[in-house]
Amino acid sequence: QIVVTQEPSLTVSPGGTVTLTCASTTGAVTISNLPNWFQQKPGQAPKTLIYSTNYKDSWTPARFSGFLLGGKAALKLSGVRPEDEADYYCLLYYGGAWFFGGGTKLTVL
Amino acid sequence: QQLLQESGPGLVKPSETLSLTCTVSGGSVSSIPSYLTWIRQPPGRGPEWIGNIFYNGNTYYNPSLKSRVTISVDTSTNQFSLNLTSVTAADTAVYYCATQAVTTKKFDFWGQGVPVIVSS
Repeated sequence: QIVVTQEPSLTVSPGGTVTLTCASTTGAVTISNLPNWFQQKPGQAPKTLIYSTNYKDSWTPARFSGFLLGGKAALKLSGVRPEDEADYYCLLYYGGAWFFGGGTKLTVL
Repeated sequence: QQLLQESGPGLVKPSETLSLTCTVSGGSVSSIPSYLTWIRQPPGRGPEWIGNIFYNGNTYYNPSLKSRVTISVDTSTNQFSLNLTSVTAADTAVYYCATQAVTTKKFDFWGQGVPVIVSS
């Protein structure tokens, strides 16, 4: 059973920087796991921020970036804005199936 | 630009089969280079990938749901469907359909989601 783990919650000040991570119980996350990152706000469907580790969707603000860090997938927000307060989910690929992380609730305070 | 719309009953009884349909507009399901995907999200929890189908009928399912799930595509109506058998309260969720590009693996378009409650 593959379990994908994320920080349950993080708090960041406006203008600050924060890094969210995504780990797997199977071992190190690699580019082969095609990490995706989604942002979800209440009452809305998730929206793709990052796909295939570090590629941005057409709407993704420049302050978001994706990369691998210490065997995990990571999402970095620089110059955080109040509208970045949301739930963030990662998604990893394993042999034909995809597995979501439990999500990180990001509070901007 | 594709538009996706889920439809189906909002209430299903325990042990019965949950059936949902996703209607795709803005492109033919037999020609858009995408996996047609179902994802669900239980209340207050993260999303769960259920499975996908390509227009040629190839399917992939979440191992934890594989024994109960069938995803099919109907090119004549430009729809794809989800059947989930023997449902329990744990299957209560908002169900989304989405398309995932074959080349980039990016989830491009999502439906608005349909809430389904499993209750007697």
